[in-house]
Amino acid sequence: ETGVTQTPRHLVMGMTNKKSLKCEQHLGHNAMYWYKQSAKKPLELMFVYNFKEQTENNSVPSRFSPECPNSSHLFLHLHTLQPEDSALYLCASSQATVEQFFGPGTRLTVL
Amino acid sequence: LAKTTQPISMDSYEGQEVNITCSHNNIATNDYITWYQQFPSQGPRFIIQGYKTKVTNEVASLFIPADRKSSTLSLPRVSLSDTAVYYCLVGDSYGGSQGNLIFGKGTKLSVKP
Repeated sequence: ETGVTQTPRHLVMGMTNKKSLKCEQHLGHNAMYWYKQSAKKPLELMFVYNFKEQTENNSVPSRFSPECPNSSHLFLHLHTLQPEDSALYLCASSQATVEQFFGPGTRLTVL
Repeated sequence: LAKTTQPISMDSYEGQEVNITCSHNNIATNDYITWYQQFPSQGPRFIIQGYKTKVTNEVASLFIPADRKSSTLSLPRVSLSDTAVYYCLVGDSYGGSQGNLIFGKGTKLSVKP
């Protein structure tokens, strides 16, 4: 248990659906991250938020829309995804250090 | 951004010491070296972090030579449960560059009985 929770743990959605992934941390951290990990690929950093402000967007398609309403919560809104978007989506948080605390991830399958 | 290079895979047997070396020739003065462990379908877990010389905790040791262009993660007496992917990362430890951590492909360690 790292102090970072993610819901749902598994999600199956069609290409026309809209869904959201939720991440919550109770560690008092000021930075939160979304990563994507496809099968047999390294983790890809998607978004970074520092003090609720987005500071990184690594050329992520607009069908992924992040939201950070406060320092403890991070969402990833999904809309009209493609099958190649199926992956493990990981949330992490940190407090101005290199050590990031990761959640368990959401296994997403797009049909 | 400091890029890291590590072996794709390593095999070991239970009870052996495992050393995984990572190269980071372009490491910057402010960069720290951090290692993470990841099991299948889980998020990575922090193992150890260092700046120079040697760092040891209850899980592993990290050896960093004076030029800091490489580092070695040492796992003493591995067990089957140490089978995982190990990532070496190099990055700034202070604030604003939170997004400059790059996870490479890591080293897949397989521990056999």
